[in-house]
Amino acid sequence: SSELTQDPALSVALGQTVRITCQGDSLRFYYASWYQQRPGQAPIIVIYGKSNRPSGIPDRFSGSNSGNTASLTITGVQAEDEADYYCNSRDSSSSHLNWVFGGGTKLTVL
Amino acid sequence: QVQLVQSGAEVKKPGASVKISCKASGFSFRSYYMHWVRQAPGQGLEWMAIINPTGDTTNYAQKFQGRVTVTRDTSTSTVYMELSSLRSEDSAVYYCARDNSQNQYGVTGWWFDPWGQGTLVTVSS
Repeated sequence: SSELTQDPALSVALGQTVRITCQGDSLRFYYASWYQQRPGQAPIIVIYGKSNRPSGIPDRFSGSNSGNTASLTITGVQAEDEADYYCNSRDSSSSHLNWVFGGGTKLTVL
Repeated sequence: QVQLVQSGAEVKKPGASVKISCKASGFSFRSYYMHWVRQAPGQGLEWMAIINPTGDTTNYAQKFQGRVTVTRDTSTSTVYMELSSLRSEDSAVYYCARDNSQNQYGVTGWWFDPWGQGTLVTVSS
């Protein structure tokens, strides 16, 4: 199966911009989706498709894609953005329906 | 509203099986694929399985092949995940999630939304 690689941890100052990246062969063929998970809570979707935000997700969240890399950018980070972020994509290496998650990025807001 | 409500926490002994339920409401359950994802303590998300809308096709992550069975009951809008031959490493929070997909600019993307609240499974002797 294919893999998605994320930086394990990032830190960003309040109000600044942070980019969280996700690399994998699958991303050459499929869009990634991005999830935010706060401690003790279920993940929630923040970005899907080319750069779509579900209702209720602030517009400071955006997504982009280039080659085998998908990125989640948070512009003007807020304290409540401190969380774990996971990317996900369908696995392009399998003829069956399989999905794969990145290892997650722990975002700390300073 | 659109939601998934899972069954409660379970404590099982090694070698036993566990069956978790996930009841859907607020959307047309029979129109959607459904996923199962798990998260071990302090670890990341791990995709386990998917079932098609009619329940006659499933796909499982290779890691769980032979131990996991996902079924669904359209009459009650409920999807189930059974994991057998439990070991301590299976202690985790298990989530169900609805599949969504969209083709934009010739590229397809999938996303999981909503998620159930999670079911904690503890495997301990």
